[in-house]
Amino acid sequence: DIQMTQSPSSLSASVGDRVTITCRASQSITFYLNWYQQKPGKAPKLLIYAASSLESGVPSRFSGSGSGTDFTLTISSLQPEDFATYYCQQSYSVPPTFGQGTKLEIK
Amino acid sequence: QVQIQQWGAGLLKPSETLSLTCAVYGGSSSGYYWSWIRQPPGKGLEWIGEINRSGSTNYNPSLKSRVTISVDTSKNQFSLKLNSVTAADTAVYYCARGPLLTLTNWGQGTLVTVSS
Repeated sequence: DIQMTQSPSSLSASVGDRVTITCRASQSITFYLNWYQQKPGKAPKLLIYAASSLESGVPSRFSGSGSGTDFTLTISSLQPEDFATYYCQQSYSVPPTFGQGTKLEIK
Repeated sequence: QVQIQQWGAGLLKPSETLSLTCAVYGGSSSGYYWSWIRQPPGKGLEWIGEINRSGSTNYNPSLKSRVTISVDTSKNQFSLKLNSVTAADTAVYYCARGPLLTLTNWGQGTLVTVSS
């Protein structure tokens, strides 16, 4: 299985901050990388697919970049509703695997 | 607008079979896969498997021996069966729809607890 490692595991930030979360794959996954947001008690929500494509309806303050093994999710200006846990997921091969999650908390 | 509704038993005893069903409303099903994912309490996400309308499946090798995913295209429903459950199978189980190995639309989740 391809191992996905996110950093940091948790992050404290303030409204208006620019935040970056990193995801690293144990082997090249080209651009087959998705990002999800999960709020407590809710199902995950797809934010970014194919490394940098914004899912329909997702605010433009979210962006993704990277290819190969290293990827980044950036939130340009944090809003109160963005405090959640974020997961990366490789869709390159079966089984698709997730990072361990990054919990974004209010400072 | 795609909506996904899921249901099934929430409390099982060890060795029993977990059985969950999802119904997909709206949107096209052509070219999409229907997946099952689980999340133990307080932990991360684990992909279980997926199926398409043709019945073609992919399973997580770690669960493959115990899992069956099936589809009823006439009802736009798909189902998960996981046999011989143990406490380690306690989790919130989600169904989802999307392109191959990508999870675009999710069900609300079902907490399944395995306890004697």
